[in-house]
Amino acid sequence: DAGVTQSPTHLIKTRGQQVTLRCSPKSGHDTVSWYQQALGQGPQFIFQYYEEEERQRGNFPDRFSGHQFPNYSSELNVNALLLGDSALYLCASSLVPGTGELFFGEGSRLTVL
Amino acid sequence: KQEVTQIPAALSVPEGENLVLNCSFTDSAIYNLQWFRQDPGKGLTSLLLIQSSQREQTSGRLNASLDKSSGRSTLYIAASQPGDSATYLCAVRNSGGSNYKLTFGKGTLLTVNP
Repeated sequence: DAGVTQSPTHLIKTRGQQVTLRCSPKSGHDTVSWYQQALGQGPQFIFQYYEEEERQRGNFPDRFSGHQFPNYSSELNVNALLLGDSALYLCASSLVPGTGELFFGEGSRLTVL
Repeated sequence: KQEVTQIPAALSVPEGENLVLNCSFTDSAIYNLQWFRQDPGKGLTSLLLIQSSQREQTSGRLNASLDKSSGRSTLYIAASQPGDSATYLCAVRNSGGSNYKLTFGKGTLLTVNP
């Protein structure tokens, strides 16, 4: 049973650039959430996608956008990168309806120089 | 606004010891609470999920309890092993029709010494 997979695992960008991160949910899951984890902090909710629409959004600027495809996979896009965007970006999947248990991928480590 | 606090921030114990990690949350109107483990630079591994109607959940050497009214949860680890060394994160999902996000604590860094 394939778990949540994310790509790329590591990437380095410079300020002002744009980045796209990708996520495939756990088999059978239809909901994808994205979280940002800065060093030494707990993950912070960015947004959640269900049925190809953004269902809920956290306190992140419009530079952060996403998409969900018909096969339930998802992308996170960040425009005009800032140094403060350096973090581990985590994707989580879950099933609706369900217990609400979230399963996370290994994350994408973004470094902005 | 939900806030989650985990105490202690770091804990070092000898192998074989039983230990308790604490998690508190400010808003008791929760849908569920989930405990995770995170190894350095890695993703999160789900350990236990407790629904708001439950008092505890057990998996192997792990036992998590929930006291919703007091806004507290504990994760009990029995007979700790060096392989248990990791950061343990607590997260809550608030109840309410359109609230799907998890609010996390900063975690407890556990070191089990051989």
